[in-house]
Amino acid sequence: AQKITQTQPGMFVQEKEAVTLDCTYDTSDPSYGLFWYKQPSSGEMIFLIYQGSYDQQNATEGRYSLNFQKARKSANLVISASQLGDSAMYFCAMREGAGGFKTIFGAGTRLFVKA
Amino acid sequence: EAGVTQFPSHSVIEKGQTVTLRCDPISGHDNLYWYRRVMGKEIKFLLHFVKESKQDESGMPNNRFLAERTGGTYSTLKVQPAELEDSGVYFCASSRTSGLGETQYFGPGTRLLVL
Repeated sequence: AQKITQTQPGMFVQEKEAVTLDCTYDTSDPSYGLFWYKQPSSGEMIFLIYQGSYDQQNATEGRYSLNFQKARKSANLVISASQLGDSAMYFCAMREGAGGFKTIFGAGTRLFVKA
Repeated sequence: EAGVTQFPSHSVIEKGQTVTLRCDPISGHDNLYWYRRVMGKEIKFLLHFVKESKQDESGMPNNRFLAERTGGTYSTLKVQPAELEDSGVYFCASSRTSGLGETQYFGPGTRLLVL
């Protein structure tokens, strides 16, 4: 069964606008962590933001925020004030407490920022 | 602080040949992970080292893949003999600890093409 689902293969956003990248997950483990990574065209995977399952508040890191809705099992990434350099592939990922700390990835969403 | 490095960045080999990929983790990171992304599919976990010990190798696809981490520093992933379906991008990641929220820092990947 798919554990991480990213339903948007591609997204367009106008520069300076906000964009939401969707991610839903599936787990029965009460202890888990959710991550977002950015992969620019150069290929490296860049860690963006982390949300723990027991965290009460949504995580924020600069222009990135994670809209964590536990009951819906969603962990959407919100990028505010998009920049041209935000154009990249974005991966949602999860690590389960009982999963031996391996990270499970979604298929990714390619974001295009238009000038 | 140097990041995770991988060598080579690209490799093109013929079916049946052997290829060895190398990963140098961030200094002081005891945990090292291998992942791969086969064309068009999700990034999949292969295995996890803690120092020189294999903690979890549940993602290794078959016995043509052999990972080592002698001395607990750099790691190698050997594919022998390579098959067409082994083509993809092989990522290495490292982390200081293996806690649930511990950030795994990824290398740029090795792009393997088996002809």
